[in-house]
Order: sequence, then structure tokens, then C-alpha cells
Amino acid sequence: DAGITQSPRHKVTETGTPVTLRCHQTENHRYMYWYRQDPGHGLRLIHYSYGVKDTDKGEVSDGYSVSRSKTEDFLLTLESATSSQTSVYFCASADYNEQFFGPGTRLTVL
Amino acid sequence: AQSVTQLGSHVSVSEGALVLLRCNYSSSVPPYLFWYVQYPNQGLQLLLKYTTGATLVKGINGFEAEFKKSETSFHLTKPSAHMSDAAEYFCAVYFGNEKLTFGTGTRLTIIP
Repeated sequence: DAGITQSPRHKVTETGTPVTLRCHQTENHRYMYWYRQDPGHGLRLIHYSYGVKDTDKGEVSDGYSVSRSKTEDFLLTLESATSSQTSVYFCASADYNEQFFGPGTRLTVL
Repeated sequence: AQSVTQLGSHVSVSEGALVLLRCNYSSSVPPYLFWYVQYPNQGLQLLLKYTTGATLVKGINGFEAEFKKSETSFHLTKPSAHMSDAAEYFCAVYFGNEKLTFGTGTRLTIIP
């Protein structure tokens, strides 16, 4: 299995606070992705990266930003968390089209 | 627009019965096709994939799927359901744009 870790695994925060989620992969994959999973919506792409410092928006990018300063790390930041951002967040990495997923981060915004 | 549709958000089958989970996509270009499984409180795990070649693809845990270009479908099957198959299943399609497009998922329940 691809080595993908996410931290933290669980987080509870308050509305208006900044939050950063980290994804780390050890496979030297070029592509990395952030998704959110909500009941009835499946997985929705937030942002993705196709190389160091190269990122692009997904279908639900409003309120989120990302950064990738190293191949192995992809950070997702909620600048000012809102209750609508309560969700489970998954990171994935890929060399081409097959994606490997991390274990997820459960974020609750009160 | 390119899209992925999974028919049935919930499917229940008896233990030992056939499992059939449906996936259709919309695209004029043959895509790459994937099925992922998610067990409770875990990430997604690849079950099987179709890229090129034989249209009947075998995956882990006894699952298989057949790519039917004329029907734009990639349905997932397993001849005999086991209790351990209870999970959520996602169909995903690579349309050649650096991203996977996921269906909304099908939750499979196995009845003892």
C-alpha cells in the first residue's frame, strides 16, 4: 500500500478559527488531492496539485486554500472555518490515474 | 458534461446471493474506470480497475466488473455475498483531465 498519512485524524474547532490539515506521502507521487466526503455527495474534489507549487481548484474550493512546498506534503487550510465545513477530509496521491487514499480527518466546526 | 452515476444509494442482499452494483458514465471517449471500497471509518481502497485490454476485470475479494462501451457501464459483481462485503462502494472514472470523478456511492448491506 502507498504510504499516505493525514494529521490530525480528528479535530474539533470553533467557527472563525483557521485550520490546517496535513497530508504526507512517501511514494514520490506527482499528483496529490484533497476531497471532502459528506452523506449523499460522495467524494468531492476541493483542490489538487500536479507538482511542487502547482495547484488547481476542484469543484468545491471556496473557503479552502492549499500549498505544496515539497513533493511529499500537501496542506489544506481553512482560513476561517464555518459549520458547513464540518466533514471528513481525505487526501490522495497518484502517479497517473490510480489514486491511493489516506485514512481521513474528521473535522467538526462548532 | 462528464459524469458518473451509481444507481441505488443503498443495496441489500442476502448472504450467499449475487451482488450487483451499477455504474454508468457519460463520455464520448473511453475512459479509465475504477471501483473503490470504503469500510467504516477508513479511507478508500482500490477494488479493481479497467484501463485497456480485456473488458472483464477481476479484483480483490472475489469482485469483478465488466466494461461495456456500448452501454457506457462498468457494473460491479460478486457471485456470492459475504458478511465482510458490507461497506460503501464508489465507482470512479478518469476522463483524462488529471482527476477522478466519483459517483455518489452505494452502501451495501448483507442480510444474514
